[in-house]
Parts: sequence; structure tokens; C-alpha cells
Amino acid sequence: AQSVTQLDSHVSVSEGTPVLLRCNYSSSYSPSLFWYVQHPNKGLQLLLKYTSAATLVKGINGFEAEFKKSETSFHLTKPSAHMSDAAEYFCVVSVGNNNDMRFGAGTRLTVKP
Amino acid sequence: GAGVSQTPSNKVTEKGKYVELRCDPISGHTALYWYRQSLGQGPEFLIYFQGTGAADDSGLPNDRFFAVRPEGSVSTLKIQRTERGDSAVYLCASSLDGNQPQHFGDGTRLSIL
Repeated sequence: AQSVTQLDSHVSVSEGTPVLLRCNYSSSYSPSLFWYVQHPNKGLQLLLKYTSAATLVKGINGFEAEFKKSETSFHLTKPSAHMSDAAEYFCVVSVGNNNDMRFGAGTRLTVKP
Repeated sequence: GAGVSQTPSNKVTEKGKYVELRCDPISGHTALYWYRQSLGQGPEFLIYFQGTGAADDSGLPNDRFFAVRPEGSVSTLKIQRTERGDSAVYLCASSLDGNQPQHFGDGTRLSIL
């Protein structure tokens, strides 16, 4: 069965410094992987997706993620954090049709001025 | 264009009552999903519709939960004999078809007293 593990429940960075949110996946098949962001009292917004094309995926708001099969990882990065990036981030894996999506527990990103 | 719309945004009711939660997907999206997000956790899959039919209802926790999508557009999630453990944010998502990324609504926050 497919699943994801988000290695940090909370990450705190200073504004202007790099962001790294870690995600490891488990899947018996070639997975599709996603990162979603959730701002307080808001729905989930898709940041980026990996579907077996380029291993380095660029998303919205300057985020990107690299698929590393050897490490079963799909970490999310951003070179320079902005205050508006403070939110909850979810790593998601799906197999086949994306009606079978499994969310990680989430990582709360705090950005300090 | 309009995104996924969920109503009501908040619902407070007493234990044992019946509730209905509504989801209006993006126009033209054939796939519709319901998730439940408990405090501090990632969304958990409940049910997936392709058109009018429930293609996968394996996530519904028990027979108190039921969902319909009679005309292949609007969907209603119905919960009978509510329990305090049903308190959560219920999220709806839609996608163009079962292979496209899901777009989420802002959710309905359900509180059972």
C-alpha cells in the first residue's frame, strides 16, 4: 500500500532563508506525488505535482521538489522564505488514478521576521 | 472562474442529529471526492464519485455516513445519528477526471456537541 511520511511536524525559518520540508513515500508502483498547502481556515491548494516526467518539479510561489527514487523522497524546497509562506504543507501520494490519494500528517511552517 | 464551493462553512449540532453537507464542484469536473480532516491531521479519503456513481466508498467509516451525487454535479454528504467523534473539517474536491489534480473547497467545519 502507498503512504507518505512527513518527517517534521513543525519547521521554523527566518524570512529570507531557505525552506526544506521533508517527505518520504512508500509505494509498490510508480507513484504520483503532490505537495499541497493549507492556509488557516482555507482549503488545500496544489503547489506542484510529480507524474514521472522531470524529477525536478517547479511549482507555484517559488517552491520546487525533487523526486529521488533511490531515497524514496520528495522533499519540498524554496530558496527564500516569505512571511506569506507560513501555513500547513501536505505531501500526498497516489497510485494509478488519483482517486486513491494518501496524505501525510502535515508540516506546519512558521516564518519569523 | 468559480472554485469548489462547500456549504455551510460551519455547522454546529447536537449528538444524535442528522446533518447534510453540500459540495458544488467546478463546472465540468466529472470526479468528486470527500475527505475528513481531524484536528492536527492530514485529510482522510472518504468517497470518490465519477459522474453519478460512487466509484470508491472504501473510506466511509461506517453505515452512518452516506453520500450522493444524483445528477453528476452537486454532491451531498449525509451523516446520521451524529457522534462527537464525527467533529472534523469535511473537505470536498473535484477534478476534470480521475487522472487530474484535485481542487479543494474551503471545507465545512462540523462540531457535534
